[in-house]
Amino acid sequence: DAGVIQSPRHEVTEMGQEVTLRCKPISGHDYLFWYRQTMMRGLELLIYFNNNVPIDDSGMPEDRFSAKMPNASFSTLKIQPSEPRDSAVYFCASSFRGTGELFFGEGSRLTVL
Amino acid sequence: KNQVEQSPQSLIILEGKNCTLQCNYTVSPFSNLRWYKQDTGRGPVSLTIMTFSENTKSNGRYTATLDADTKQSSLHITASQLSDSASYICVVSLNSGNTPLVFGKGTRLSVIA
Repeated sequence: DAGVIQSPRHEVTEMGQEVTLRCKPISGHDYLFWYRQTMMRGLELLIYFNNNVPIDDSGMPEDRFSAKMPNASFSTLKIQPSEPRDSAVYFCASSFRGTGELFFGEGSRLTVL
Repeated sequence: KNQVEQSPQSLIILEGKNCTLQCNYTVSPFSNLRWYKQDTGRGPVSLTIMTFSENTKSNGRYTATLDADTKQSSLHITASQLSDSASYICVVSLNSGNTPLVFGKGTRLSVIA
């Protein structure tokens, strides 16, 4: 298996633009997590899915953020409109069971100018 | 409130020396504790998992300990190598609740020649 695949690896955009980050989890994993990482706050959970259903989105900063998982092999995290304070590395991770080992993608580094 | 605190925040050691990283948690009900290694620009990768009944577990030059009574864990690195330079993140899993994982902010280790 190729592991968790995220795209794009790097994204530079201007304030106000829409940003879409994509994730393909490991086949057979039933949990998918979206995290945001900054130097100040470390890894923060944004939202997670179990069997494609959103379970906890309390970490989503505000209504500008949305996430979907239309099927077991694909998820998106969308920011609209983007702001400079959204600049961070966004990680997608998947696991088999909620307390199982997390397998992370390589991350998407977002810079909002 | 469920929290994971790691110390030190950063550490610089000479190649070949040993070091110990600390993790204190106030998470309940406890399921397991994992240490992840995150190389610069990469996603975190699991090093070891500790369950409630385990005191010590080794993975090559990495040895993790767990004291469930004091709610403390440590990661000891023996004969450090330049490739050990990374962030080490302590993650505790809960047995119940909507958010199954609580992350520490990590310890940034730099091994220098």
